[in-house]
Amino acid sequence: GAGVSQSPSNKVTEKGKDVELRCDPISGHTALYWYRQSLGQGLEFLIYFQGNSAPDKSGLPSDRFSAERTGGSVSTLTIQRTQQEDSAVYLCASSRGDSSYNEQFFGPGTRLTVL
Amino acid sequence: AQSVTQLDSHVSVSEGTPVLLRCNYSSSYSPSLFWYVQHPNKGLQLLLKYTSAATLVKGINGFEAEFKKSETSFHLTKPSAHMSDAAEYFCVVSDPASGGYNKLIFGAGTRLAVHP
Repeated sequence: GAGVSQSPSNKVTEKGKDVELRCDPISGHTALYWYRQSLGQGLEFLIYFQGNSAPDKSGLPSDRFSAERTGGSVSTLTIQRTQQEDSAVYLCASSRGDSSYNEQFFGPGTRLTVL
Repeated sequence: AQSVTQLDSHVSVSEGTPVLLRCNYSSSYSPSLFWYVQHPNKGLQLLLKYTSAATLVKGINGFEAEFKKSETSFHLTKPSAHMSDAAEYFCVVSDPASGGYNKLIFGAGTRLAVHP
């Protein structure tokens, strides 16, 4: 079956612009996670969705970052007024549930470059 | 809070020789531990996971890891390296957050180079 897909694969934007990153999880997976991979910070958790519960946004670095998950499936990560330090690879993962026994499957990522 | 330390940022081995990638963790309870691999321009792939069953865990592509609670270690090994093993490897601990879900905490990564 299809894995986690993300779009676009690459995004180049100018400082101050807004960007939207999309994640399509594996069908039937109720848990969805966003992570960010950058040279300075490594891989860090951003936000988590599980079913219809309120998301855990504790990893979002600033209020310029927000995310939605519509219909319990597709998720969009939005970064407003992008800054150069936002340049990173943004990874999405999904799993059947939120137990540590459930493997998280990762997408290929979106590489964001802010000029 | 949980944390993971990967002791080597780079490891270089010759093809056919053993691989050892070291990982120490910090956890206030019995953790779930994982090794993920990331090949260039590819997504993260789970190699193996420890979730309080057998302490010696076998994964894909001949890799295995041993959970040693007394040493708080979860080192990754492979008896014989292959050129295709060249990649970045991440040791990961799960951190059941206050909501009880599985937030992953990643180590800084170890880049494995395999030479002919």
